[in-house]
Amino acid sequence: GEQVEQRPPHLSVREGDSAVIICTYTDPNSYYFFWYKQEPGAGLQLLMKVFSSTEINEGQGFTVLLNKKDKQLSLNLTAAHPGDSAVYFCAVSLTSGGNYKPTFGKGTSLVVHP
Amino acid sequence: DTTVKQNPRYKLARVGKPVNLICSQTMNHDTMYWYQKKPNQAPKLLLFYYDKILNREADTFEKFQSSRPNNSFCSLYIGSAGLEYSAMYLCASSRDRGQAEQFFGPGTRLTVL
Repeated sequence: GEQVEQRPPHLSVREGDSAVIICTYTDPNSYYFFWYKQEPGAGLQLLMKVFSSTEINEGQGFTVLLNKKDKQLSLNLTAAHPGDSAVYFCAVSLTSGGNYKPTFGKGTSLVVHP
Repeated sequence: DTTVKQNPRYKLARVGKPVNLICSQTMNHDTMYWYQKKPNQAPKLLLFYYDKILNREADTFEKFQSSRPNNSFCSLYIGSAGLEYSAMYLCASSRDRGQAEQFFGPGTRLTVL
């Protein structure tokens, strides 16, 4: 089945620095990609959903890149601030015709120091 | 209301005793999921309901039961807790399977002694 590797497990940056989290998946039929953010004491919240057809997706203060050739998904926070401190999870899902269960990475704990 | 609620938030159980965890959502989502999350591990899918149909993962088939009496509620039942069940249990719901965003509850931290 699908396997997802997420790195790094821990990331510490200064306010204003960039932060990059990478997920590598194995199934070339993967079609839906998700980034979730989990703040302390709260549930996972969707940051962005990415379709296989789009390689670059921009959100508020971050960019998600999808490299289908290398089967890699990345989350790039361009100028991190302390409010970005959280645990980030990627998730990968196949099309509805196949395995419709999202597979998650282990998470990255990001700390942004003022 | 886009929140998923879980009760209780913390649960202490004795080895060999049953455990029942509750999840609810009012978004009329047709799919509800239960995950087990241990430190430094990815959330592990235990089972999910698509409407009234229960799908359990092969490797946890006999360890967890679930019921969904109506669209809003879903429970996770452990008949006889073991030390290895200590974990965070996450409930999620989605409008559809796989393609749609999942909405997660805050989790129930289960400690088995």
